[in-house]
Amino acid sequence: QQQVKQSPQSLIVQKGGISIINCAYENTAFDYFPWYQQFPGKGPALLIAIRPDVSEKKEGRFTISFNKSAKQFSLHIMDSQPGDSATYFCAATLNSGGSNYKLTFGKGTLLTVNP
Amino acid sequence: DTGVSQDPRHKITKRGQNVTFRCDPISEHNRLYWYRQTLGQGPEFLTYFQNEAQLEKSRLLSDRFSAERPKGSFSTLEIQRTEQGDSAMYLCASSLAYGTGTYNEQFFGPGTRLTVL
Repeated sequence: QQQVKQSPQSLIVQKGGISIINCAYENTAFDYFPWYQQFPGKGPALLIAIRPDVSEKKEGRFTISFNKSAKQFSLHIMDSQPGDSATYFCAATLNSGGSNYKLTFGKGTLLTVNP
Repeated sequence: DTGVSQDPRHKITKRGQNVTFRCDPISEHNRLYWYRQTLGQGPEFLTYFQNEAQLEKSRLLSDRFSAERPKGSFSTLEIQRTEQGDSAMYLCASSLAYGTGTYNEQFFGPGTRLTVL
């Protein structure tokens, strides 16, 4: 059972454009939603994260939009740069008491930003 | 570099052989996680430790897999009688968990890429 569904699988954007990656989750118990960025040969690195009590979080060029009723969240990368070219993973975890905080990941989106 | 380190970075083995991977977490982190990532997929949770105690194992972790974290420091993941389906990137992550109710970022290592021939 895939608990976090991510789309698109790949995305090509021109420099300066907006990159949008979408995720949907099934487990309503999830209460923390991080996005990870992974470059080839590296482990995933936390990019930005959101809790379900807010609908949007912005950090620099990166914004998460969260729709609790639809069980969907998305990553927007504004003014996309070639250096943003990487694989992006959405994830979800339980943040409640006693949680082991294990992450459930989407399948990833390979973003290519053309110069 | 005080990040999570993993050794080896690459391992090629023949089917049926045993392999062992090592993970050195960030020194003050009390939680350590193992994930497996296959091509085109996101990482999948395998197991985690709170200090030296292994508190949860995924169904993905068959009897051929064993993990240890002696003294709550580094961890090893051993795969016995490797199969071609074990070929994957094995990622280690660590975090500092103070207690309940607060998520603390998991810092990932670069991974060990296993190829079983």
